[in-house]
Amino acid sequence: DADVTQTPRNRITKTGKRIMLECSQTKGHDRMYWYRQDPGLGLRLIYYSFDVKDINKGEISDGYSVSRQAQAKFSLSLESAIPNQTALYFCATSEAVQGGEYFGPGTRLTVL
Amino acid sequence: EDKVVQSPLSLVVHEGDTVTLNCSYEVTNFRSLLWYKQEKKAPTFLFMLTSSGIEKKSGRLSSILDKKELFSILNITATQTGDSAVYLCAVEPYYGQNFVFGPGTRLSVLP
Repeated sequence: DADVTQTPRNRITKTGKRIMLECSQTKGHDRMYWYRQDPGLGLRLIYYSFDVKDINKGEISDGYSVSRQAQAKFSLSLESAIPNQTALYFCATSEAVQGGEYFGPGTRLTVL
Repeated sequence: EDKVVQSPLSLVVHEGDTVTLNCSYEVTNFRSLLWYKQEKKAPTFLFMLTSSGIEKKSGRLSSILDKKELFSILNITATQTGDSAVYLCAVEPYYGQNFVFGPGTRLSVLP
């Protein structure tokens, strides 16, 4: 079984709709992240959480919100989706001491 | 503003060639630099570098960090078509801060 899972894997939606992307991990890591990936821009951080009570904005948080329901779950919401939020979204976890991030398989989101 | 730059952005080679990918960074503080390989899915972790001049190796891949000149290189020897991927470099500016990613280098290895 995968250590980091994301649902859905693909989603097509319309402008103005509310969308939730979910992430679960079995690695027992405290730290979880949401990134979006756009061609030529690499990975950009949206939100991150270092534990269940800790939520922080990343580089590009406008238009997004998150919820850390438990150590293992971190959800990303688009309250009112817009076309420039079309991207590949990755959830990741990390363990503070050893470093390195473990990525989920990604969610391809298309906003029409 | 923390920044990570990678070069080249794209590279095409033939099997058996040796390639060197570059990563330079500007960060307020520095804790570690990481390399990832991304194929048609999520990035996979390759190396984490924290000290200058100590080479890390994994098979045909190796990497080294120069903290004075603020860069790292990733070498791949005897390339294979399976090495075709985007290679991402990321820097952790300080303990507890977030990784800053470069744009990646797209490597294509032709048979």
